[in-house]
Order: sequence, then structure tokens, then C-alpha cells
Amino acid sequence: GAVVSQHPSRVICKSGTSVKIECRSLDFQATTMFWYRQFPKQSLMLMATSNEGSKATYEQGVEKDKFLINHASLTLSTLTVTSAHPEDSSFYICSAPYIQGNTIYFGEGSWLTVV
Amino acid sequence: QKEVEQNSGPLSVPEGAIASLNCTYSDRGSQSFFWYRQYSGKSPELIMSIYSNGDKEDGRFTAQLNKASQYVSLLIRDSQPSDSATYLCAVPLSGGYNKLIFGAGTRLAVHP
Repeated sequence: GAVVSQHPSRVICKSGTSVKIECRSLDFQATTMFWYRQFPKQSLMLMATSNEGSKATYEQGVEKDKFLINHASLTLSTLTVTSAHPEDSSFYICSAPYIQGNTIYFGEGSWLTVV
Repeated sequence: QKEVEQNSGPLSVPEGAIASLNCTYSDRGSQSFFWYRQYSGKSPELIMSIYSNGDKEDGRFTAQLNKASQYVSLLIRDSQPSDSATYLCAVPLSGGYNKLIFGAGTRLAVHP
């Protein structure tokens, strides 16, 4: 069935390095995917909309040069956190609309810890 | 004014009771509404969606929508300890059906 898979589920990286998180739609195509960030005890905050074959659109206050998004195929979007800092440590979650089911699926989320 | 507002709780109810979770939204043009459940450290999972005024029931869950009052609620009957989680209300941004904006979430604690 339709599922959204994220990888890695947990990652620890050193400050100043870059980290890539993948979001895949399984058994369905998604021309649009969404990236959220969630800090502890806070709600999900929409970061950006990933558009297949075109540039991502970022929400106000989100640095596009720091959070690089690539949606190279109809089933894969990637989020790269560049020059990561400890304050980027968070839970990153992607979602993809499943049009046929009139619903939106979320990935399992990726815990990023920057040390 | 926040686009989607929820009482952060915690809402504590005894096992077997009805838990009532509330949400208000600011965009009068909103047409669809979602309730997600999120366990600590996990991704949200969809509980209910509702599009029309009135009630929608699914098992122990009932979603209620009142567009005139810009209010949507979730009732959980016969609450179980396993229902203890944060419940997130989500509304799509105008013009973006799938671009969900979430409320802060209400933490529900069901005690035996």
C-alpha cells in the first residue's frame, strides 16, 4: 500500500558538516512533498514545499541556502542540511499527498543531532 | 492570531471516559480538516478527516465540524491508556490542499 519512507531515522553529525535526509513515496507518485521540522514539545512547522522538476518553495524565515531541497523524481525528495549547527538539531518529517486516497501520508521522521 | 489554535493541555481523563479535544482555525475558506495522533518521538498518524459540517464517526472517534464557528473537535469514546498521545489539528493553507498547517497539539493523558 501507499507509504512514505524516510531515511535515515536517526543521524548524528559534527557541527559544520552537511547531512542529507531522503523521503520516498512507495507505490505512488508524488509531484509535491512537504518538509516539516519539530522541536521538542512543539508542533510541526512547515519548512518548505518540494516540487518535482522545479525549485522548492520555502516558508518565511527558512533559509533556502541552508536547507537544500531536491525533488529529482516523482518518488524521491531530499533535504540537505548544510553546515549544520547544534541549533539545527530537530525532528525532520516529510509528507506526501496520496491523491487517489485523498489523504496525506507522513514519513517516519528523521532525528538529527548536531554535536 | 495563529492560523490553527489548540489548547496545549495536558488533558487528563480516566480510562473509559470521553476525551474532548478542540481546535479553532482562522481561515474561513478552509474546506478540509484533519486530526493526527502523535506518540512521543514518532511521526504523526492520521486519525480522522472531515470536510462537511456535522459529525463523522469512525469507531471510538468522532470528529465534529462547525464552519460557521470555525471550530472542529475530536471526541474519543471509551478512552484507553494507549490513546495517551498528542493530538494535532491540521488545516490546509488556502490554495494549497496538501500544505497542512498544524496547531500546537493537545497532550492527552488517559489514566487507569
